[in-house]
Amino acid sequence: DAKTTQPNSMESNEEEPVHLPCNHSTISGTDYIHWYRQLPSQGPEYVIHGLTSNVNNRMASLAIAEDRKSSTLILHRATLRDAAVYYCILEFTNTGNQFYFGTGTSLTVIP
Amino acid sequence: DARVTQTPRHKVTEMGQEVTMRCQPILGHNTVFWYRQTMMQGLELLAYFRNRAPLDDSGMPKDRFSAEMPDATLATLKIQPSEPRDSAVYFCASGLHRGEQYFGPGTRLTVT
Repeated sequence: DAKTTQPNSMESNEEEPVHLPCNHSTISGTDYIHWYRQLPSQGPEYVIHGLTSNVNNRMASLAIAEDRKSSTLILHRATLRDAAVYYCILEFTNTGNQFYFGTGTSLTVIP
Repeated sequence: DARVTQTPRHKVTEMGQEVTMRCQPILGHNTVFWYRQTMMQGLELLAYFRNRAPLDDSGMPKDRFSAEMPDATLATLKIQPSEPRDSAVYFCASGLHRGEQYFGPGTRLTVT
């Protein structure tokens, strides 16, 4: 059973905002939502994480639905360097804080 | 700029041989993770340690894989004997109790 569901791929024009969706309908009250990205031939890289409230950092914003069954990663202005696979991950706090990576969304940025 | 380091970066070996992969976590991080990435399965968590103690290795094939942390600066993942289906990129990551995990560059293993 999939813990997170993401579109396989998305495209965005350079310098436009990108909204990457994720569904996590089985999330429990204490599970954290993390987003990582993986550039070609590199290890995954932390982007942002949150529990209930929306979060902002220098890389992105995370919007979490009120029922927490979905979230959206927002890149405010896509650049060519943002082309990567973006993973939405749940951290299951009742099983020792492991991460379970899904299949991710491959983001293509069009110049 | 603190980073997780992994050695070797590439390893080609024959089926049946022992493979040892090493990871140096970021100084001060108390949690270390081992992941495996393949095209078919994506990223899979193999094992993880907190304060050098193994907390979960349920993702790891027990008969041939073993993971240890001899000290706070070294984590090892060993495969004995290796099989072609073990060919993958193996990532080590370190972090604190909750929050960001910092991934190393990975070890690309090819078993022929």
